[in-house]
Amino acid sequence: EAGVTQFPSHSVIEKGQTVTLRCDPISGHDNLYWYRRVMGKEIKFLLHFVKESKQDESGMPNNRFLAERTGGTYSTLKVQPAELEDSGVYFCASSPGSLGTPNPWNTEAFFGQGTRLTVV
Amino acid sequence: LAKTTQPISMDSYEGQEVNITCSHNNIATNDYITWYQQFPSQGPRFIIQGYKTKVTNEVASLFIPADRKSSTLSLPRVSLSDTAVYYCLVRTDSWGKLQFGAGTQVVVTP
Repeated sequence: EAGVTQFPSHSVIEKGQTVTLRCDPISGHDNLYWYRRVMGKEIKFLLHFVKESKQDESGMPNNRFLAERTGGTYSTLKVQPAELEDSGVYFCASSPGSLGTPNPWNTEAFFGQGTRLTVV
Repeated sequence: LAKTTQPISMDSYEGQEVNITCSHNNIATNDYITWYQQFPSQGPRFIIQGYKTKVTNEVASLFIPADRKSSTLSLPRVSLSDTAVYYCLVRTDSWGKLQFGAGTQVVVTP
């Protein structure tokens, strides 16, 4: 079974440009999460999709970031325009289950390899 | 979300047992304790999760005392490939966000 895949693995863009990161979760996983680690800092939560709906976007830093999840499958995270402080590694994760089906022990989140974004 | 505190780093030799203790004094009744492992240039990987007492799988054991204010991840007979950052997290619900701390950098040497 394929794991969570992220594309691209690396991206170098200039300040002011737009970048779109893509995440393909494990097939059938309703939950999709975006996290990021900026240089020297801890991994921080950005947002959580349940299928195509945004369940929690409390971690999104500002309105330059736009996340979508078309049809509840893959997700994209667009940064427009990119700033220097956006540099870091962006992780996507997915997990099975839904809010309507309590299953507390099946809560493992599967992470992708991450996309390293460098804004110069 | 309950705050967690764990050592910044630990060194070990191959073949030894590594125990990482995490404090989570403000853990709530419904919270679960989860541990993840992260290798360089990779995403975090789930290791083990528990609620109370002891949980064991093929990778590690997790010991949780009765008051649940701390937990200890035990890695038996570590090898060089166990060199990684280990994160202790407290989960409030099954599908919510994970709150990562700084983690513990474990370095295993020959």
